[in-house]
Amino acid sequence: QSVLTQPPSASGTPGQRVTVSCSGSSSDIGKNTVQWYQQLPGTAPKLLIYSNNQRPSGVPDRFSGSKSGTSASLAISGLQSEDEAEYHCAAWDDSLNGWVFGGGTKLTVL
Amino acid sequence: QVQLQQSGPGLVKPSQSFSLTCAISGDSVSSNSAAWNWIRQSPSRGLEWLGRTYYRSKWYKEYAVSVKSRITISPDTSKNQFSLQVNSVTPEDTAMYYCAGQGVRGIINSWGQGILVTVSS
Repeated sequence: QSVLTQPPSASGTPGQRVTVSCSGSSSDIGKNTVQWYQQLPGTAPKLLIYSNNQRPSGVPDRFSGSKSGTSASLAISGLQSEDEAEYHCAAWDDSLNGWVFGGGTKLTVL
Repeated sequence: QVQLQQSGPGLVKPSQSFSLTCAISGDSVSSNSAAWNWIRQSPSRGLEWLGRTYYRSKWYKEYAVSVKSRITISPDTSKNQFSLQVNSVTPEDTAMYYCAGQGVRGIINSWGQGILVTVSS
């Protein structure tokens, strides 16, 4: 069972806006920044959002992140078929002294 | 841009050990601002951080409590790589294993291609 809690699945139609939630605790999200990773089928995770709401170079501005208290969210606007992937949230946990992850949310573009 | 290339066995027998290696290009295993992690992924457990090593005037090694007694992460400065050894494996250790680099911002931002390790007799 993962330390951070994500819904197992989400879906949307092309052009729609979808959000994925990530819930943690005072020792992880409550104290440290949140990262989001996109994992396309059969590939390694790729950094999508860092420091709660920053996008690495090359990531479209359709992807955005936010954090409030011990929860975080990833929003994808203008949904495209190539966004169909699994999305994972991650944060450093000061109590466990290690990285913790969410269980992953599989996004389906209908 | 950091690139990580993994190598190691795909099939291991229960109670045995295995080692995986991660070769680094575009950075140094001895960098004072990087850290080098091992993470595994299985359908039942999702992404699970196993541990990391990094150099800050001396070498540090940090392990997840769940596997601390069975794993060792080691840097190899001569080959600019780092390794993971897992001992006394069981079928629960069956997973895709990734090495991952943590950069200047303290964020995991580079990943190896992954190696599927299956524990089976």
